[in-house]
Amino acid sequence: AQKVTQAQTEISVVEKEDVTLDCVYETRDTTYYLFWYKQPPSGELVFLIRRNSFDEQNEISGRYSWNFQKSTSSFNFTITASQVVDSAVYFCALSESAGGGNKLTFGTGTQLKVEL
Amino acid sequence: NAGVTQTPKFQVLKTGQSMTLQCAQDMNHEYMSWYRQDPGMGLRLIHYSVGAGITDQGEVPNGYNVSRSTTEDFPLRLLSAAPSQTSVYFCASSYVQNSYEQYFGPGTRLTVT
Repeated sequence: AQKVTQAQTEISVVEKEDVTLDCVYETRDTTYYLFWYKQPPSGELVFLIRRNSFDEQNEISGRYSWNFQKSTSSFNFTITASQVVDSAVYFCALSESAGGGNKLTFGTGTQLKVEL
Repeated sequence: NAGVTQTPKFQVLKTGQSMTLQCAQDMNHEYMSWYRQDPGMGLRLIHYSVGAGITDQGEVPNGYNVSRSTTEDFPLRLLSAAPSQTSVYFCASSYVQNSYEQYFGPGTRLTVT
């Protein structure tokens, strides 16, 4: 069975600090997809990134970057120069290709608090 | 283009009452699903559908029913609400191939007393 672990329950940083959110996954599939979602205090879920298991290139989008390492089954998310607006719960999720490939298994989330 | 809509936003039920949470999408997505979010547990899949007339169970299906008569709508029914069903419910939709990004609705906060 697939599993996603986000060991950091809560992280507090001061604005402009860099912060890395950890995500470790387990799957027996060779083809799978990894996601990050952001849930701001307003409650909606905002898609951030989707990565398939064959693409280990790191990705950068503005202040956000993602480090995918199959060797350690990790898909970590780094926010550079954090801002108060980054305060949210961040979820890592996994879906396997087998059986349709759309069923997401979520981690328990990391609450990020960015203070002035 | 409204995306994924859910009604109601908030609901309070008494134990044993029944209700239907509505979900609709206007993106012609084949895949729709329901998740519940509980503190410290992330989101867990309740039921999902890969197209009209086809539904299947997720990780936590007990106490919930679904049907999919149209591509656009995927209602979630609670036949006899229990306090354990107090949660925030999210509906999501996507294209069915290759685990495309899932679009989530705004959520329904349900309290069962």
